[in-house]
Amino acid sequence: ETGVTQTPRHLVMGMTNKKSLKCEQHLGHNAMYWYKQSAKKPLELMFVYNFKEQTENNSVPSRFSPECPNSSHLFLHLHTLQPEDSALYLCASSQDDDIVNTEAFFGQGTRLTVV
Amino acid sequence: DAKTTQPTSMDCAEGRAANLPCNHSTISGNEYVYWYRQIHSQGPQYIIHGLKNNETNEMASLIITEDRKSSTLILPHATLRDTAVYYCIVRSRGYSSASKIIFGSGTRLSIRP
Repeated sequence: ETGVTQTPRHLVMGMTNKKSLKCEQHLGHNAMYWYKQSAKKPLELMFVYNFKEQTENNSVPSRFSPECPNSSHLFLHLHTLQPEDSALYLCASSQDDDIVNTEAFFGQGTRLTVV
Repeated sequence: DAKTTQPTSMDCAEGRAANLPCNHSTISGNEYVYWYRQIHSQGPQYIIHGLKNNETNEMASLIITEDRKSSTLILPHATLRDTAVYYCIVRSRGYSSASKIIFGSGTRLSIRP
């Protein structure tokens, strides 16, 4: 248990569906991240939020829409995805400010399959 | 942030020390070396980090060369459960570092019985 919880753990969706991935951290961290990991590839950083503000969008297609309502919750809204978007989606959090810094803590991921 | 170079794969006998190298020749003075590992289909797990001194914790030791251009992660007594992909990352600390946790391809470590 890392203190970062992702739901659901597995998701199968059609290309016309709309779904959302949820991430919650109980660590009091200010920064939250979405990563994508396709089969046999390194983790790709998608989005970073720091104190609820988006600080990084790594050229992610608009069919992925992040939302960070507060520092403890992060969502990834999905719509009209393609089969190549099938991957493991990982959420992480860390404390990154000019006083305290921690390593990143990762959730167990959501295994997404687009059919 | 500095890029890192790691061997694609390594193997080690169970019970022996596993030494995983990482080159980070362009590291700057305020950047730390972090190590994570990812066991199959799980989220990455933090192992250890350091700036310039050698570090040890319950999981591993980190040896950083004096010029800081390379480092070695040491798992002193490898077990089958240490089979994973190991990632070496360099990043600075502070507010702006939150965007800089970038993973490379890592080293796939296989522990043989």
